[in-house]
Amino acid sequence: QKEVEQNSGPLSVPEGAIASLNCTYSDRGSQSFFWYRQYSGKSPELIMSIYSNGDKEDGRFTAQLNKASQYVSLLIRDSQPSDSATYLCAVILTGGGNKLTFGTGTQLKVEL
Amino acid sequence: DTGVSQDPRHKITKRGQNVTFRCDPISEHNRLYWYRQTLGQGPEFLTYFQNEAQLEKSRLLSDRFSAERPKGSFSTLEIQRTEQGDSAMYLCASSSEEAGAYLFQYFGPGTRLLVL
Repeated sequence: QKEVEQNSGPLSVPEGAIASLNCTYSDRGSQSFFWYRQYSGKSPELIMSIYSNGDKEDGRFTAQLNKASQYVSLLIRDSQPSDSATYLCAVILTGGGNKLTFGTGTQLKVEL
Repeated sequence: DTGVSQDPRHKITKRGQNVTFRCDPISEHNRLYWYRQTLGQGPEFLTYFQNEAQLEKSRLLSDRFSAERPKGSFSTLEIQRTEQGDSAMYLCASSSEEAGAYLFQYFGPGTRLLVL
């Protein structure tokens, strides 16, 4: 079992819809979770962090964390074509120090 | 506040050659990380510095790889005797020591390495 798992996609949503991106992790003791956006050929860009169960909202983005089920998700409301990118879930595992363990990323395509 | 910078942005080399990459972190960020990313994968951790001390190295980092951060500012990553499997994007990230912020890692543009 991979430490951080994501569906590689692509996930296609129409413009204006809600995009839902999911991530599961294997280490029950993990406490810190991050979402990065990566455009093709570019480096990852930090968009959200979450540490507590529940929802955290920032503009059109909402991160959701459920530690009991070991999943973290990212919702993007009013999706725009400019949101088309790969979304990487990253976790700091127990005993992992400060290093991020990434999933393989989910490719999101927002269609006109 | 400028972001993380990396040099060169692209490097093509022949198998067996040595290459060196440089990373300049965000100013006053004392933590610096190196990751490697191959096509279709997420970044993989290579090594981490706090100030000039290299505190952790991944098992992925073979003896051909060495990283330094001599004055706690910029860092270099050297790959000796490159192999085709070393072809990847090499990413540098930095984070601040400030409470609540040290977990936020900001990535540079990366150095794309192609080994022929």
